[in-house]
Amino acid sequence: GDSVTQMEGPVTLSEEAFLTINCTYTATGYPSLFWYVQYPGEGLQLLLKATKADDKGSNKGFEATYRKETTSFHLEKGSVQVSDSAVYFCALTDYNQGGKLIFGQGTELSVKP
Amino acid sequence: NAGVTQTPKFQVLKTGQSMTLQCAQDMNHEYMSWYRQDPGMGLRLIHYSVGAGITDQGEVPNGYNVSRSTTEDFPLRLLSAAPSQTSVYFCASSTTTVLGTGGGDGYTFGSGTRLTVV
Repeated sequence: GDSVTQMEGPVTLSEEAFLTINCTYTATGYPSLFWYVQYPGEGLQLLLKATKADDKGSNKGFEATYRKETTSFHLEKGSVQVSDSAVYFCALTDYNQGGKLIFGQGTELSVKP
Repeated sequence: NAGVTQTPKFQVLKTGQSMTLQCAQDMNHEYMSWYRQDPGMGLRLIHYSVGAGITDQGEVPNGYNVSRSTTEDFPLRLLSAAPSQTSVYFCASSTTTVLGTGGGDGYTFGSGTRLTVV
């Protein structure tokens, strides 16, 4: 079945460092891809999404490009802030498989001043 | 504010007790779902519904029941709580696609219910 694999955390960075969180997926169809963020004690918020190959999703300085050839959707940010400390989840929805949202295991990011 | 409302936020149960986790949304979303979040395992789908009167099982449905009598509400029932059901539970909703599936414009999540079974 469909699945999502993320790099393991926790990831610890200094403020203004470059961030990459790797995400790869397996899907039989043509999924839409998402990054969700969970701040401490809160629910999940949609960070960005991409619905087809070569689409780039972006929001709040974060970017991810839908790479069908490498089945990847890596999350990047050029300069992280302390306020970016959170858990980041990569996910996919395959509309041909009922539209269920399938998550990776999450990557915890900690940004130090 | 519009969104997904979950109650209660925290709950402690004894093994064998039953309870209902409430989920309500006011966005007229057809699709609603329940997930559980456990450390190192991401979120796993328990049950979902594509509209009133229609429910189906997700990845980990055992020990849980759902019903969908209205578009707005999607309660999750624990029939006989077990320590393995200690988790954080999230409800999520979305519009449906032209195929009648979830995730039309992405999902909106509630703030979660932290459940401990002792």
